[in-house]
Amino acid sequence: GAVVSQHPSWVICKSGTSVKIECRSLDFQATTMFWYRQFPKQSLMLMATSNEGSKATYEQGVEKDKFLINHASLTLSTLTVTSAHPEDSSFYICSAPITGTSVDTQYFGPGTRLTVL
Amino acid sequence: AQSVTQLGSHVSVSEGALVLLRCNYSSSVPPYLFWYVQYPNQGLQLLLKYTSAATLVKGINGFEAEFKKSETSFHLTKPSAHMSDAAEYFCAVLHGSGNTGKLIFGQGTTLQVKP
Repeated sequence: GAVVSQHPSWVICKSGTSVKIECRSLDFQATTMFWYRQFPKQSLMLMATSNEGSKATYEQGVEKDKFLINHASLTLSTLTVTSAHPEDSSFYICSAPITGTSVDTQYFGPGTRLTVL
Repeated sequence: AQSVTQLGSHVSVSEGALVLLRCNYSSSVPPYLFWYVQYPNQGLQLLLKYTSAATLVKGINGFEAEFKKSETSFHLTKPSAHMSDAAEYFCAVLHGSGNTGKLIFGQGTTLQVKP
């Protein structure tokens, strides 16, 4: 089956630094990838839709200058949390449908736990 | 806009008992509905999905869900709980369609299975 990986699986950083999280589709091409954040004991909230070769589409209330998304290839999307603060600590999950198929079949990455000190 | 509501943030059952996790949806168009499972510190795994075909959908690990339009429900069931079923379960609805849709998740239900 289709596999999505994320790197790193967990990261601890100091307040004010930037952190990059990678999302890769290992055995399929993904023109579109989705980025979610999940606070403890809460649901997944869609942050943005990453589109290969074009700008990401951000959900209302998500700061695009703080959460930079780059989708430079058909298998890689990156999320950079800039000037991270403790309130950015969360579980970040990406997902992707196979290019050419409907988004009703998405494959989820294992998530990245970000802790900002 | 489509949305889903999961009734009960925490459900506890004994091993071997029936599992029932509730989900109600709101949608102005025929919905696509999903159930996902999440184990601690992991991503989501699709259990099953309803895409306007058969109303009774069978998924992995013995789970199934029935789409009931009259009740706007899509409850998840399993006849006999296993310890390994303990996890977080999310109901979701697809907002939009085709290549431009996005998943909207419910609040999640934690399933505890007691020995």
